Amino acid sequence: NAGVTQTPKFQVLKTGQSMTLQCAQDMNHEYMSWYRQDPGMGLRLIHYSVGAGITDQGEVPNGYNVSRSTTEDFPLRLLSAAPSQTSVYFCASSYTGTGYYEQYFGPGTRLTVT
Amino acid sequence: AQSVTQLGSHVSVSEGALVLLRCNYSSSVPPYLFWYVQYPNQGLQLLLKYTSAATLVKGINGFEAEFKKSETSFHLTKPSAHMSDAAEYFCAVSEAGNTGKLIFGQGTTLQVKP
Repeated sequence: NAGVTQTPKFQVLKTGQSMTLQCAQDMNHEYMSWYRQDPGMGLRLIHYSVGAGITDQGEVPNGYNVSRSTTEDFPLRLLSAAPSQTSVYFCASSYTGTGYYEQYFGPGTRLTVT
Repeated sequence: AQSVTQLGSHVSVSEGALVLLRCNYSSSVPPYLFWYVQYPNQGLQLLLKYTSAATLVKGINGFEAEFKKSETSFHLTKPSAHMSDAAEYFCAVSEAGNTGKLIFGQGTTLQVKP
């Protein structure tokens, strides 16, 4: 199993540009989520999905869109990049059958918005 | 609402010394608790988890944590630090209601001196 994969690893955007961060998992996990990591703030939840076709907002959803058309993929779209979105983005997935949602993380995408 | 507080954003120990990373949580229901480790430029890896079984939980790489309900704590310990333990450590609590959401602490950077 490849686990959770994310592309690209690094990205530089100009203010106002849009892009999609890709996330895929091959563990047949129902639950997937996106976090951003900023120094001194831990990880903050952006959006999450409990299954194909179902998404919901997390703590910091503004400026981001998601969709979940398949179990495997959960892309994150930045609509109009802003410098405040400079961050490291992590995708995670978990199996829901245990009840405690142990999450598996991808390697991250480091995004810089100039 | 649940929250997690990690006491000390930076902890420095000598190689061979005891590692103690502190985590306190607030939760209105019995929590599921996690410790994750992040090595430089990598994603998060699960160290250990508390899921209401044994209160002393053993994880990978010689780490363990004890759930103390009376103190609302879940401190991470390792008897003897190795240079390879230098990383950032995150404590997390699962949101009540089995939503799958994790609430993270701010993180503690562990430095190990030779």
